[in-house]
Amino acid sequence: QVQLKESGPGLVKPSETLSLTCTVSGGSISSNYWSWIRQPPGKGLEWIGYVYYRGSTNYNPSLKSRVIISVDTSKNQFSLKMSSVTAADTAIYYCARETNWNYFDHWGQGALVTVSS
Amino acid sequence: DIVMTQSPDSLAVSLGERATINCKSSQTILYTSNNKNYLAWYQQKPGQPPKLLIYWASTRESGVPDRLSGSGSGTDFTLTISSLQAEDVGLYYCQQYFTTPWTFGQGTKVEIK
Repeated sequence: QVQLKESGPGLVKPSETLSLTCTVSGGSISSNYWSWIRQPPGKGLEWIGYVYYRGSTNYNPSLKSRVIISVDTSKNQFSLKMSSVTAADTAIYYCARETNWNYFDHWGQGALVTVSS
Repeated sequence: DIVMTQSPDSLAVSLGERATINCKSSQTILYTSNNKNYLAWYQQKPGQPPKLLIYWASTRESGVPDRLSGSGSGTDFTLTISSLQAEDVGLYYCQQYFTTPWTFGQGTKVEIK
Protein backbone atom coordinates (compact mmCIF):
# COMPACT_ATOMS: atom_id res chain seq x y z
CA GLN A 1 0.00 0.00 0.00
CA VAL A 2 1.48 3.33 -1.07
CA GLN A 3 1.96 5.82 1.75
CA LEU A 4 2.96 9.46 1.58
CA LYS A 5 4.33 11.65 4.34
CA GLU A 6 5.02 15.37 4.33
CA SER A 7 7.91 16.89 6.24
CA GLY A 8 9.30 20.38 6.70
CA PRO A 9 9.15 23.47 8.89
CA GLY A 10 5.78 24.27 10.43
CA LEU A 11 6.54 27.98 10.73
CA VAL A 12 7.82 30.25 7.98
CA LYS A 13 8.38 34.01 8.13
CA PRO A 14 6.64 36.33 5.70
CA SER A 15 8.59 36.92 2.46
CA GLU A 16 10.63 33.76 2.98
CA THR A 17 10.46 30.42 1.15
CA LEU A 18 8.28 27.53 2.25
CA SER A 19 9.91 24.14 1.67
CA LEU A 20 8.24 20.76 2.08
CA THR A 21 9.22 17.24 1.12
CA CYS A 22 6.96 14.26 0.52
CA THR A 23 8.41 10.80 1.08
CA VAL A 24 6.71 7.94 -0.73
CA SER A 25 6.85 4.44 0.75
CA GLY A 26 5.31 1.12 -0.20
CA GLY A 27 5.75 1.82 -3.89
CA SER A 28 7.98 3.50 -6.43
CA ILE A 29 7.78 7.16 -7.30
CA SER A 30 8.92 6.22 -10.80
CA SER A 31 5.43 6.22 -12.22
CA ASN A 32 2.40 8.48 -11.91
CA TYR A 33 2.10 12.17 -11.27
CA TRP A 34 2.77 13.59 -7.80
CA SER A 35 0.90 16.63 -6.57
CA TRP A 36 0.79 19.24 -3.86
CA ILE A 37 -2.60 20.46 -2.66
CA ARG A 38 -3.30 22.92 0.14
CA GLN A 39 -6.19 23.71 2.42
CA PRO A 40 -6.32 26.93 4.47
CA PRO A 41 -7.77 26.30 7.94
CA GLY A 42 -11.52 25.77 7.67
CA LYS A 43 -11.52 26.26 3.90
CA GLY A 44 -11.52 24.24 0.69
CA LEU A 45 -8.87 22.52 -1.40
CA GLU A 46 -6.53 24.21 -3.86
CA TRP A 47 -4.30 22.26 -6.26
CA ILE A 48 -0.81 23.75 -6.35
CA GLY A 49 0.81 21.65 -9.05
CA TYR A 50 2.30 18.31 -10.00
CA VAL A 51 5.56 16.77 -11.04
CA TYR A 52 5.74 13.74 -13.30
CA TYR A 53 8.34 11.18 -12.24
CA ARG A 54 10.42 12.08 -15.26
CA GLY A 55 10.58 15.67 -14.03
CA SER A 56 8.03 17.56 -16.08
CA THR A 57 5.78 19.89 -14.11
CA ASN A 58 2.44 21.65 -14.29
CA TYR A 59 1.47 24.46 -11.91
CA ASN A 60 -1.69 26.29 -10.99
CA PRO A 61 -1.39 29.64 -12.81
CA SER A 62 -2.48 31.42 -9.63
CA LEU A 63 0.73 30.26 -7.91
CA LYS A 64 3.04 29.52 -10.83
CA SER A 65 5.34 32.51 -10.34
CA ARG A 66 6.19 31.41 -6.79
CA VAL A 67 6.24 27.60 -6.95
CA ILE A 68 8.77 24.95 -7.87
CA ILE A 69 7.99 21.23 -7.56
CA SER A 70 10.79 18.74 -8.09
CA VAL A 71 11.31 14.99 -7.82
CA ASP A 72 14.20 12.87 -6.55
CA THR A 73 13.59 9.31 -7.71
CA SER A 74 16.70 8.03 -5.93
CA LYS A 75 15.14 9.01 -2.60
CA ASN A 76 11.52 8.30 -3.58
CA GLN A 77 10.70 11.90 -2.70
CA PHE A 78 9.25 14.98 -4.27
CA SER A 79 9.39 18.53 -2.97
CA LEU A 80 7.60 21.87 -2.95
CA LYS A 81 9.19 25.27 -2.74
CA MET A 82 7.00 28.36 -2.53
CA SER A 83 8.69 31.74 -2.40
CA SER A 84 7.64 35.13 -1.02
CA VAL A 85 5.04 33.66 1.32
CA THR A 86 2.43 35.74 3.13
CA ALA A 87 -0.15 34.97 5.80
CA ALA A 88 -2.51 33.92 2.99
CA ASP A 89 -0.25 30.90 2.40
CA THR A 90 -0.98 29.53 5.87
CA ALA A 91 -2.56 26.15 5.22
CA ILE A 92 -2.38 22.41 5.59
CA TYR A 93 -0.22 21.20 2.71
CA TYR A 94 -0.97 17.73 1.36
CA CYS A 95 1.08 15.67 -1.00
CA ALA A 96 -0.89 13.23 -3.13
CA ARG A 97 -0.48 10.67 -5.87
CA GLU A 98 -2.36 11.24 -9.07
CA THR A 99 -3.42 8.27 -11.12
CA ASN A 100 -2.50 8.39 -14.79
CA TRP A 101 -5.92 9.98 -15.28
CA ASN A 102 -5.22 12.72 -12.72
CA TYR A 103 -7.57 12.05 -9.84
CA PHE A 104 -5.97 11.64 -6.41
CA ASP A 105 -5.95 8.11 -5.01
CA HIS A 106 -3.41 8.41 -2.19
CA TRP A 107 -2.83 11.36 0.15
CA GLY A 108 -0.39 12.20 2.88
CA GLN A 109 -1.69 13.15 6.32
CA GLY A 110 -0.91 16.80 5.70
CA ALA A 111 1.50 19.32 7.19
CA LEU A 112 0.32 22.56 8.73
CA VAL A 113 2.47 25.47 7.67
CA THR A 114 1.93 28.80 9.40
CA VAL A 115 3.32 32.00 7.94
CA SER A 116 4.04 34.42 10.74
CA SER A 117 6.85 36.59 12.04
CA ASP B 1 -10.28 27.75 -14.86
CA ILE B 2 -13.25 25.41 -14.52
CA VAL B 3 -15.30 26.48 -11.52
CA MET B 4 -16.94 23.70 -9.52
CA THR B 5 -19.99 24.70 -7.48
CA GLN B 6 -21.53 22.37 -4.94
CA SER B 7 -24.96 22.54 -3.36
CA PRO B 8 -26.01 22.65 -0.67
CA ASP B 9 -23.15 23.92 1.50
CA SER B 10 -24.43 21.71 4.29
CA LEU B 11 -27.20 19.24 4.95
CA ALA B 12 -28.50 17.31 7.92
CA VAL B 13 -30.07 13.93 7.27
CA SER B 14 -31.53 11.34 9.61
CA LEU B 15 -29.79 8.00 9.95
CA GLY B 16 -31.01 5.65 7.26
CA GLU B 17 -32.30 8.43 5.04
CA ARG B 18 -30.98 9.57 1.66
CA ALA B 19 -28.44 12.35 1.26
CA THR B 20 -27.89 14.07 -2.08
CA ILE B 21 -25.04 16.42 -2.97
CA ASN B 22 -24.90 18.29 -6.25
CA CYS B 23 -21.87 19.50 -8.16
CA LYS B 24 -21.98 21.75 -11.21
CA SER B 25 -19.04 22.59 -13.45
CA SER B 26 -18.75 25.89 -15.32
CA GLN B 27 -18.08 23.99 -18.55
CA THR B 28 -18.49 20.45 -19.71
CA ILE B 29 -16.10 17.88 -18.29
CA LEU B 30 -17.31 15.14 -20.61
CA TYR B 31 -14.62 14.10 -23.07
CA THR B 32 -16.64 12.97 -26.08
CA SER B 33 -13.90 10.85 -27.63
CA ASN B 34 -14.08 8.33 -24.76
CA ASN B 35 -17.48 9.31 -23.31
CA LYS B 36 -15.99 9.76 -19.86
CA ASN B 37 -16.78 12.47 -17.34
CA TYR B 38 -13.60 13.67 -15.64
CA LEU B 39 -15.08 14.04 -12.17
CA ALA B 40 -14.11 12.60 -8.79
CA TRP B 41 -15.68 12.72 -5.34
CA TYR B 42 -13.81 12.75 -2.02
CA GLN B 43 -14.80 12.51 1.62
CA GLN B 44 -12.87 14.33 4.32
CA LYS B 45 -13.23 13.75 8.04
CA PRO B 46 -11.88 16.17 10.69
CA GLY B 47 -8.12 16.01 10.99
CA GLN B 48 -7.77 13.66 8.03
CA PRO B 49 -6.85 14.04 4.37
CA PRO B 50 -9.53 13.62 1.72
CA LYS B 51 -10.32 10.06 0.69
CA LEU B 52 -11.18 9.11 -2.87
CA LEU B 53 -14.71 7.76 -3.17
CA ILE B 54 -15.67 7.90 -6.84
CA TYR B 55 -13.96 8.66 -10.15
CA TRP B 56 -15.20 8.88 -13.74
CA ALA B 57 -18.30 10.39 -12.07
CA SER B 58 -19.74 6.99 -11.17
CA THR B 59 -17.00 4.39 -10.57
CA ARG B 60 -16.59 3.53 -6.91
CA GLU B 61 -13.08 3.22 -5.53
CA SER B 62 -12.26 -0.19 -4.07
CA GLY B 63 -13.69 -0.56 -0.58
CA VAL B 64 -16.26 2.21 -0.88
CA PRO B 65 -19.68 0.95 0.24
CA ASP B 66 -22.31 0.64 -2.46
CA ARG B 67 -24.70 2.95 -0.59
CA LEU B 68 -22.56 5.73 -2.10
CA SER B 69 -23.15 6.32 -5.78
CA GLY B 70 -22.28 8.98 -8.32
CA SER B 71 -24.22 10.06 -11.37
CA GLY B 72 -24.49 12.82 -13.92
CA SER B 73 -22.84 13.93 -17.13
CA GLY B 74 -21.58 17.03 -18.86
CA THR B 75 -21.85 19.78 -16.27
CA ASP B 76 -24.21 18.39 -13.61
CA PHE B 77 -23.31 15.67 -11.17
CA THR B 78 -24.72 14.10 -8.03
CA LEU B 79 -23.32 12.09 -5.13
CA THR B 80 -26.00 10.07 -3.37
CA ILE B 81 -25.78 8.30 -0.04
CA SER B 82 -28.77 5.99 -0.17
CA SER B 83 -29.00 5.25 3.55
CA LEU B 84 -26.93 7.56 5.73
CA GLN B 85 -24.75 5.88 8.33
CA ALA B 86 -22.89 7.54 11.20
CA GLU B 87 -19.55 6.99 9.46
CA ASP B 88 -20.72 9.06 6.46
CA VAL B 89 -20.56 12.29 8.44
CA GLY B 90 -17.96 14.64 7.00
CA LEU B 91 -17.12 17.02 4.20
CA TYR B 92 -17.56 15.98 0.59
CA TYR B 93 -15.73 17.54 -2.36
CA CYS B 94 -16.07 17.12 -6.09
CA GLN B 95 -13.03 17.63 -8.32
CA GLN B 96 -12.64 17.98 -12.08
CA TYR B 97 -9.60 16.51 -13.82
CA PHE B 98 -10.65 17.46 -17.34
CA THR B 99 -8.16 20.27 -17.65
CA THR B 100 -5.55 21.96 -15.49
CA PRO B 101 -5.65 23.59 -13.09
CA TRP B 102 -7.52 20.76 -11.41
CA THR B 103 -10.25 22.39 -9.33
CA PHE B 104 -12.46 21.37 -6.43
CA GLY B 105 -15.91 22.35 -5.30
CA GLN B 106 -16.17 24.35 -2.09
CA GLY B 107 -17.34 21.32 -0.14
CA THR B 108 -20.60 20.08 1.35
CA LYS B 109 -20.86 19.25 5.03
CA VAL B 110 -23.02 16.22 5.86
CA GLU B 111 -24.34 15.89 9.39
CA ILE B 112 -26.84 13.72 11.19
CA LYS B 113 -30.19 15.27 12.00
